[in-house]
Amino acid sequence: QSVLTQPASVSGSPGQSITISCTGTTSGVGSHNLVSWFQQHPGKAPKLIIYEGGKRPSGVSSRFSGSKSGDTASLTISGLQAADEAEYFCCSYAGSSAPYVVFGGGTKLTVL
Amino acid sequence: QLQLQESGPGLVKPSETLSLTCNVAGDSISSSSYYWGWIRQPPGKGLEWIGSIYNSGNTYYNPSLGSRVTISVDTSQNHFSLRLNSLTAADTAIYYCVRHGPLFLITFEDWGQGTLVTVSS
Repeated sequence: QSVLTQPASVSGSPGQSITISCTGTTSGVGSHNLVSWFQQHPGKAPKLIIYEGGKRPSGVSSRFSGSKSGDTASLTISGLQAADEAEYFCCSYAGSSAPYVVFGGGTKLTVL
Repeated sequence: QLQLQESGPGLVKPSETLSLTCNVAGDSISSSSYYWGWIRQPPGKGLEWIGSIYNSGNTYYNPSLGSRVTISVDTSQNHFSLRLNSLTAADTAIYYCVRHGPLFLITFEDWGQGTLVTVSS
């Protein structure tokens, strides 16, 4: 089964930019751009912020962007704000004959 | 406006079967072009996709859960359900129901508030 690896934590100051990586194995990130990113504040349901590698759902700030290089997908948040402090999860489509999706372990973003 | 609301027992014994229901308001499962799924999150840990159902009969499950999972739809009640058998403590989690587009796009955009299920004797 595919495995997605994220850093446990990242931090940045207000106004700065940060990048969270998501490295995949087997039939995951490397073979396509079908990666989504979710933001989760404590006690809340996750919120979709990026899909298909770099597309944003309606209403999501353009400060959030996604990209991919090789087996690694990345989420970049520019102009950090206090409200961005949250857990971030990547998710990749994996599987061909038996489709399924797999999540990364999550990255805690701290805004200093 | 779409609303998803999970319901079910908060406490289940090991080896028993968990049954959860997601009541849907603001969309009709029987005529919807969306998928309906379940995602769980152990307290303080990451997310795990459990499975999804489409068109009332096409189901997709996480291979890691094997044959323990069944997702079904009741169009007369406009809700869909999750059954997970042979429970262990590792199944303790917040269970979310979701509405989404084609699975490969991973557009889990609409979520219920989640319901905590504890597996304990």
